[in-house]
Amino acid sequence: NAGVTQTPKFRVLKTGQSMTLLCAQDMNHEYMYWYRQDPGMGLRLIHYSVGEGTTAKGEVPDGYNVSRLKKQNFLLGLESAAPSQTSVYFCASRGSLNTEAFFGQGTRLTVV
Amino acid sequence: KNQVEQSPQSLIILEGKNCTLQCNYTVSPFSNLRWYKQDTGRGPVSLTIMTFSENTKSNGRYTATLDADTKQSSLHITASQLSDSASYICVVSARTIREYGNKLVFGAGTILRVKS
Repeated sequence: NAGVTQTPKFRVLKTGQSMTLLCAQDMNHEYMYWYRQDPGMGLRLIHYSVGEGTTAKGEVPDGYNVSRLKKQNFLLGLESAAPSQTSVYFCASRGSLNTEAFFGQGTRLTVV
Repeated sequence: KNQVEQSPQSLIILEGKNCTLQCNYTVSPFSNLRWYKQDTGRGPVSLTIMTFSENTKSNGRYTATLDADTKQSSLHITASQLSDSASYICVVSARTIREYGNKLVFGAGTILRVKS
């Protein structure tokens, strides 16, 4: 049981480049989330999904897009990376609103 | 406005000692409160979860308390070990089904370092 897996673990991008982060969960969870974690701040919600085929904006959605074509996968895209998007990105999933959220190991992204 | 405030920001203690971490929140309406442990370079892992009616919950050497009236929680670590060195994050869940899929509000965390 792998839980929540994020790929890649590390990435360096040049300003203006695009990339996609993949989050995969094998727990049949309905809810999936993308967060970013910056020094001295709590995790901030970028986008989330309450089920296959659905996505919604979180607190800091600008500059990001997401897709949930399959229940087990939640993709986070950066169309034109900016240095302000340098951060550690975490994906999480949970089965219902009152159950524990399981987190991936994180993706450290640097935009130069 | 940060709705979940944690203190201290960082803490250094000697192995074997106890410590208490604090969490104050203003998130409303309150659903539940979780404490997570985040090791360096890893994702957060849940330690405890408490709902409105629960005052205390233990998980091994970790004991969490909740005072829903004053909107305060604490995490007490007993007989600390080197492996307890990590960031401890307080996460409050708001009962807002329409917003953010039951919104989780994260504190900035307390960085604990246990020295030998």
